[in-house]
Amino acid sequence: EDKVVQSPLSLVVHEGDTVTLNCSYEVTNFRSLLWYKQEKKAPTFLFMLTSSGIEKKSGRLSSILDKKELFSILNITATQTGDSAIYLCAVIHNTNAGKSTFGDGTTLTVKP
Amino acid sequence: DGGITQSPKYLFRKEGQNVTLSCEQNLNHDAMYWYRQDPGQGLRLIYYSQIVNDFQKGDIAEGYSVSREKKESFPLTVTSAQKNPTAFYLCASSIVGQETQYFGPGTRLLVL
Repeated sequence: EDKVVQSPLSLVVHEGDTVTLNCSYEVTNFRSLLWYKQEKKAPTFLFMLTSSGIEKKSGRLSSILDKKELFSILNITATQTGDSAIYLCAVIHNTNAGKSTFGDGTTLTVKP
Repeated sequence: DGGITQSPKYLFRKEGQNVTLSCEQNLNHDAMYWYRQDPGQGLRLIYYSQIVNDFQKGDIAEGYSVSREKKESFPLTVTSAQKNPTAFYLCASSIVGQETQYFGPGTRLLVL
């Protein structure tokens, strides 16, 4: 059975802290891994990772994939209250184009 | 503006009633998806469609039905067979072969 596990499930930090969110997966026919940020409603796309060891960066956020150990991490440095959200990890399968398996998400709360 | 719209924002269902959630996109995307999100959980795939007049079951299709008569529209019917329909429903679309999915604002379904 395909599985995507995120940890921790929830995290409370203070502004300025650095956080690392984890996503491990066991899926058949891996194609890519995506990170999304969900604040109130619709998830918004953050990163897509397909190759091991290549860091993707966007401002204070960065992410990397390890296809040997089957995990990805999402780092947020100098956190701000606006980073408070649910962060979702999704793995896209190669068998059925577009079919994806999501993790349960990490709820991040950044306190002022 | 291009995007995905879902309606209604909130929907109330009585016991034994079928209800239909609307999803429309003007992004000219071929692929569309329906997900269910329960509190503290990630997204679970209900149905997806890669082309008009064709769709596939996702991981939790029981109690749901869909149609894809037009490229722009992918309505989801929650039937009376779905015994626990209370959840947040998200619709998404993408270009076939591209992993990034664009999400609508969601519909929250509640049972009276």
